[in-house]
Parts: sequence; C-alpha cells; structure tokens
Amino acid sequence: DIMLTQSPATLSVTPGESISLSCRASQSISTNLHWYQQKPNESPRVLIKYASQTISGIPSRFSGSGSGTDFTLNINRVEPEDFSVYYCQQSNSWPLTFGSGTKLEIK
Amino acid sequence: EVQLVESGGGLVQPGRSLKLSCAASGFTFSNYYMAWVRQAPKKGLEWVATISTSGSRTYYPDSVKGRFTISRDNAKSSLYLQMNSLKSEDTATYYCARHGPKLGADWYFDFWGPGTMVTVSS
Repeated sequence: DIMLTQSPATLSVTPGESISLSCRASQSISTNLHWYQQKPNESPRVLIKYASQTISGIPSRFSGSGSGTDFTLNINRVEPEDFSVYYCQQSNSWPLTFGSGTKLEIK
Repeated sequence: EVQLVESGGGLVQPGRSLKLSCAASGFTFSNYYMAWVRQAPKKGLEWVATISTSGSRTYYPDSVKGRFTISRDNAKSSLYLQMNSLKSEDTATYYCARHGPKLGADWYFDFWGPGTMVTVSS
C-alpha cells in the first residue's frame, strides 16, 4: 500500500499569511494526488485534483504542485473560512489511500 | 445540483450485519463509478469500497474485503454497502462519494454525502 505522510500535523497561522502544506508518498505516484478540505462537522470537498489541476468553484488562492513523491498545497493569504483539516489522497494504485491530515488553526 | 444522501446507520452489536444506502440525485447516476469512504471518530479518512458503473467490478481494501459488499441499483439511483461480521473498529461515519467523471480512470472523489454514523458496540 502507498503511504502518504502529511506535515505538519498542525499549523497555526494568522489570517492573511500564505502557507504551504506537504504530502509525501512512500513511492512515486506521478501526479495522481488530490487534496481535500474538511471543515468541522462537514463532509470533505475536493480542492485540487491531479496535483495541480483546479476545481470549479474553488477559490483561486488554493493551488497545488508536485509530482513523484513530493506534493504541496499552497494557500495564498489564508482567509478565516480556511481553518480546517486538509487531506491528500493518492489514486495511483489500489488501495486508494489518504494522508493523516494537516489541521490549519488560527494563531 | 448533485446530492448524495446516506441512510441506514445506527448502533449494532459486534458480529452482526448492517446495510447502508445512498440516494443520488442531480446527475446521471449510471454514468459514474461510486464509492464509500469512512472516518472513525476524530480520525482520518479511509476508502472502503468502489463500484463500476454497471456494478460488474468492485474494489476493496484488505481491511473490509470479504466482510463488506458494495452494490448499486441504477434504476433507483441508489448505492449500497452491506456490512457483515462488524467489528468495533468499523465504528465510523460512512460517506457515499462519487468518483470523477472519466470512466474507470478518475479515482478521486468529486462529491460527498453528509455521512451516516455506524457504531459497533455491545
């Protein structure tokens, strides 16, 4: 199984800061990596597909990059509504797996 | 508007069975691969099962293979998860999710239902 390691586990930031979240795969997964946001008591929603492809309706401050084993989710100037948990997911091979998540909290 | 609504969760004893349902609307259900993803309390996400558009192909992780069965009824736009031999570690919120639009190739989840809670306890 492909393991995804997300770091940091928790990130404390001030609204307006720009940040990067990391997701590292245990083996190369090309660009078969997707990012989700989960707000408290809500279901997840997809933010970025295939490492860097945008999703309709997602604010442009969210962007993704990476390939192979190292991936990054960038949030340009964090807004108050962005404080959530972020998960990465790989679709390169079965079983589909998720990272353990990064919690973005207000400093 | 795409809608996925799960039902069937509840409290069940270890070793017993439970069947979850997901009612889909707002899109052509028969054109999409569908899936179940679960989340244990205060934990991360775990993919549980995927089914092809016709139902002829199914995929499971080892953690549920042989115990869970995913199925669908395209005429009713409904997805199901039959869970047998339930264990305490199956306690979770179960989400119905739609795979991306490229048939047999888009293994991310583009829409999710609100989830239904399953508690396995004596």
